[in-house]
Amino acid sequence: DAGITQSPRHKVTETGTPVTLRCHQTENHRYMYWYRQDPGHGLRLIHYSYGVKDTDKGEVSDGYSVSRSKTEDFLLTLESATSSQTSVYFCAIKIDSYTEAFFGQGTRLTVV
Amino acid sequence: AQKVTQAQTEISVVEKEDVTLDCVYETRDTTYYLFWYKQPPSGELVFLIRRNSFDEQNEISGRYSWNFQKSTSSFNFTITASQVVDSAVYFCALRGRDDKIIFGKGTRLHILP
Repeated sequence: DAGITQSPRHKVTETGTPVTLRCHQTENHRYMYWYRQDPGHGLRLIHYSYGVKDTDKGEVSDGYSVSRSKTEDFLLTLESATSSQTSVYFCAIKIDSYTEAFFGQGTRLTVV
Repeated sequence: AQKVTQAQTEISVVEKEDVTLDCVYETRDTTYYLFWYKQPPSGELVFLIRRNSFDEQNEISGRYSWNFQKSTSSFNFTITASQVVDSAVYFCALRGRDDKIIFGKGTRLHILP
């Protein structure tokens, strides 16, 4: 277990509502990532962070924002959820630039 | 731009057969890292191996082996004497200079008893 907790693990929300997913780590790792996993698309990078308040966009960042005010927490926000954002969301952490990433258990989000 | 291609969407083999999962990558970086992950039916993502661009030595870990060839931009994964527990989705991934880790679409492997 890499010391990563994603919350909530499951969520159903309505179209147009804001949603925030939380990734919490106990490892004090510098790098944190948010991915979404969809059938036929594999894992796609949404946003990532390389330090407190240092974030950057990934492949599919439209409709998502992130914040990292503390080393241990990386928040992913859907400002106005759409059905196309129904997915499984994974958070990952990485010790250094060249190391592998370790993943959380995932959050299944359904937008109805 | 970086890209990872796993052309095999789904593979089925009978238990005890050997199977190779293909991974082809594209990058302009001279320093990069390649990874393989396993996602069993339970859904978690399990790290298997990391390889950097300067180390072309093949690696063997039990029934698993990896063949890294820069000349063909490939990082293939072979399971020898497959077992039912190897059934999973396998992802190949690439990290270049910008710290983004880009994944392929995955190969779903079915090991039939």
